[in-house]
Amino acid sequence: KAGVTQTPRYLIKTRGQQVTLSCSPISGHRSVSWYQQTPGQGLQFLFEYFSETQRNKGNFPGRFSGRQFSNSRSEMNVSTLELGDSALYLCASSLEEGAFNSPLHFGNGTRLTVT
Amino acid sequence: GQQLNQSPQSMFIQEGEDVSMNCTSSSIFNTWLWYKQDPGEGPVLLIALYKAGELTSNGRLTAQFGTTRKDSFLNISASIPSDVGIYFCAGQNTGNNRKLIWGLGTSLAVNP
Repeated sequence: KAGVTQTPRYLIKTRGQQVTLSCSPISGHRSVSWYQQTPGQGLQFLFEYFSETQRNKGNFPGRFSGRQFSNSRSEMNVSTLELGDSALYLCASSLEEGAFNSPLHFGNGTRLTVT
Repeated sequence: GQQLNQSPQSMFIQEGEDVSMNCTSSSIFNTWLWYKQDPGEGPVLLIALYKAGELTSNGRLTAQFGTTRKDSFLNISASIPSDVGIYFCAGQNTGNNRKLIWGLGTSLAVNP
């Protein structure tokens, strides 16, 4: 069974640009969550999507947005990039929403560098 | 955002030694999860705990869900070089929209 696939693996952008990251969940998984990982802050929850609806949201500004398609694939978008947005962005899928009794399975992430 | 207290922050041990790490929270959790992250990869689930007092093993790894529901422990026995990585705990607080709360990780280095 294929794991969670994230593309691209690496991105370099400049301040002010926008970026779109893609995530394909494990087949059959309907929930997709996005996390930002930085050395000092650990894993910070961005949002969770289930059945094409955002079910949960972390404490990030509106520049961070996402969506989920009918095939459960998900994208996240960051507009007006700032230097502090440089991080590893991780996508995780689970069978059901909320990860209760349905642990998260992570992709290998997209490393975003903002210059 | 809310985070768990995970300790130690880092460990450097000799191959063959046992390792212990723990996470504590001010909130009660219904689920504790332990993940390991290798360099350049995403976290991989090691052990999931769903019941207070539960003790679960996965090979050389053993994790326990604390009876107070505010802590969890992970032990690694007879460490080997491939145990190197960052270990994360995560707790789920059903009173917080069921979001997972994460520790900052324990970085483990093993000297062969």
